[in-house]
Amino acid sequence: EPEVTQTPSHQVTQMGQEVILRCVPISNHLYFYWYRQILGQKVEFLVSFYNNEISEKSEIFDDQFSVERPDGSNFTLKIRSTKLEDSAMYFCASSVNGDASDEQYFGPGTRLTVT
Amino acid sequence: DAKTTQPNSMESNEEEPVHLPCNHSTISGTDYIHWYRQLPSQGPEYVIHGLTSNVNNRMASLAIAEDRKSSTLILHRATLRDAAVYYCILRRFGNEKLTFGTGTRLTIIP
Repeated sequence: EPEVTQTPSHQVTQMGQEVILRCVPISNHLYFYWYRQILGQKVEFLVSFYNNEISEKSEIFDDQFSVERPDGSNFTLKIRSTKLEDSAMYFCASSVNGDASDEQYFGPGTRLTVT
Repeated sequence: DAKTTQPNSMESNEEEPVHLPCNHSTISGTDYIHWYRQLPSQGPEYVIHGLTSNVNNRMASLAIAEDRKSSTLILHRATLRDAAVYYCILRRFGNEKLTFGTGTRLTIIP
């Protein structure tokens, strides 16, 4: 069964450093998403991406964040200058289309630890 | 998006059916009812969704009240692997994102 994959599984970085989290969505899916979950808190939406453009973003997704689909398979989340409060699990998801009736498939997540 | 209300936690015995309730009294006519679950240390996983009619799939059944103000996720025979946080989420037409609440933490007793 096709699945969303994410690398690395765990990333440790120092405050102020740039990190890139990578995701490979399911191959025939057109919509891509990033969510994050701070330890013990809710899963929060960050951004959705369709047709090489951001289609929606949350208040969390400020200028420090960017997303890119550099080739036909990868989808990346970049944090330019990490802060302690960016420590969280980051989940990538994909769906065939962005309909309210469509399901999203999530990857296993990348645990980001900022020290 | 309309709000959903779920119990914080529930327990069930292994191999028995589990009924997880969700209230969504402010649901609108174009809101789909989605259920996701999150197993420990994993990403969220799609379970089932519906609009008006009851739905069945290999994982679960979804029973939707006639007025659509509540729904129930039914796991027909719980296993230890079903221990997870279950989220009931409404998705409105044109809304791409999933808005997660705190969900119901389901504990399965062996």
